[in-house]
Amino acid sequence: QKEVEQNSGPLSVPEGAIASLNCTYSDRVSQSFFWYRQYSGKSPELIMSIYSNGDKEDGRFTAQLNKASQYVSLLIRDSQPSDSATYLCASRSKTNAGKSTFGDGTTLTVKP
Amino acid sequence: DGGITQSPKYLFRKEGQNVTLSCEQNLNHDAMYWYRQDPGQGLRLIYYSQIVNDFQKGDIAEGYSVSREKKESFPLTVTSAQKNPTAFYLCASSGTAQLTSGNTIYFGEGSWLTVV
Repeated sequence: QKEVEQNSGPLSVPEGAIASLNCTYSDRVSQSFFWYRQYSGKSPELIMSIYSNGDKEDGRFTAQLNKASQYVSLLIRDSQPSDSATYLCASRSKTNAGKSTFGDGTTLTVKP
Repeated sequence: DGGITQSPKYLFRKEGQNVTLSCEQNLNHDAMYWYRQDPGQGLRLIYYSQIVNDFQKGDIAEGYSVSREKKESFPLTVTSAQKNPTAFYLCASSGTAQLTSGNTIYFGEGSWLTVV
């Protein structure tokens, strides 16, 4: 089992719709969680970080964390074609020298 | 500007040759990382360092070596022992604080390595 697993893509949504990206993690001592966006051929850029159970909103993006279920999600409201990218979920553990683990990513396409 | 600088952006390696990728950060971060990404794949951790003069192997360290002589620098050498080095290499850094934005990982722009 991978330490961080993301829902298999690709995911396609129409412009203006809500895109939902999901991630589960296996290390119960993981404390920090991150969502990155990566355009083709570019490096990942941070979208959101979340540390506590519940929702965290930033503009059109909402991250949700449920530590009991070991589940993290990212919702993108009013999806735009410019949101088309691969989204990476990452966790950071308090143990193992704070090493971060990344999922394989979910590719999102927003169709005009 | 604060950030992470990787060089070169594009590099070609001949068979049997060692090459070194440079990574410099001016974010005053304690931790630095090297990841490898193959086309259409996720990130795989090669090496990481939490403090100067100390580093640990990641998941795919074979065929690679690193050094951490200065806080701001973490060069990666791809040795001839790495048989399939063609990939996108990403350097990253972070603070080591828990539960704060200080532990967020930030990435450089990446280096493309191709074997010719």
